[in-house]
Amino acid sequence: EAQVTQNPRYLITVTGKKLTVTCSQNMNHEYMSWYRQDPGLGLRQIYYSMNVEVTDKGDVPEGYKVSRKEKRNFPLILESPSPNQTSLYFCASSFGGSTEAFFGQGTRLTVV
Amino acid sequence: SQQGEEDPQALSIQEGENATMNCSYKTSINNLQWYRQNSGRGLVHLILIRSNEREKHSGRLRVTLDTSKKSSSLLITASRAADTASYFCATVSNNDYKLSFGAGTTVTVRA
Repeated sequence: EAQVTQNPRYLITVTGKKLTVTCSQNMNHEYMSWYRQDPGLGLRQIYYSMNVEVTDKGDVPEGYKVSRKEKRNFPLILESPSPNQTSLYFCASSFGGSTEAFFGQGTRLTVV
Repeated sequence: SQQGEEDPQALSIQEGENATMNCSYKTSINNLQWYRQNSGRGLVHLILIRSNEREKHSGRLRVTLDTSKKSSSLLITASRAADTASYFCATVSNNDYKLSFGAGTTVTVRA
């Protein structure tokens, strides 16, 4: 089954404790991206990757890092989480940035 | 950056009625896409309409695009309780080929 898998689904952490949210897709997509969703703001892109070892900033990249060492995986790293990063995070993949995107189920992160 | 703006923000209709929501955007686009999100879950792609297309259908969904007015509409006909969800338009500009989402329309279908 074609899917994008994120882990964990829920995470509560404390300010400053490094964390990684994993994302994996099985559709051989070149393009992967991370979004955060906050009430009233829709989805905002954090980072995207056009292929292995090619990543770039989206609209709200501050406080986040990503890596793309393999085509299927695109982890999101928060080196020092802060409460304003409390949000619902989505990973997505597609054949290109302009084509239909497939989304993971989301990771609800709370930073206290 | 957020480009699409949906209207209305929320919509409540009776089962069997049609639901219409609109999306306006600012810059020229390559295509416009509509997605559905059930409460707190991942987004699901519904339909993509290219800048040279004016109307597209998929089952009970009808999407129109007016590039002169920089707007699109999504019509759901004969709504069902299962259509209760948030609907988002996402634009792909000709500048950066990235998806930019609006804040969404929350649709509630009453039985």
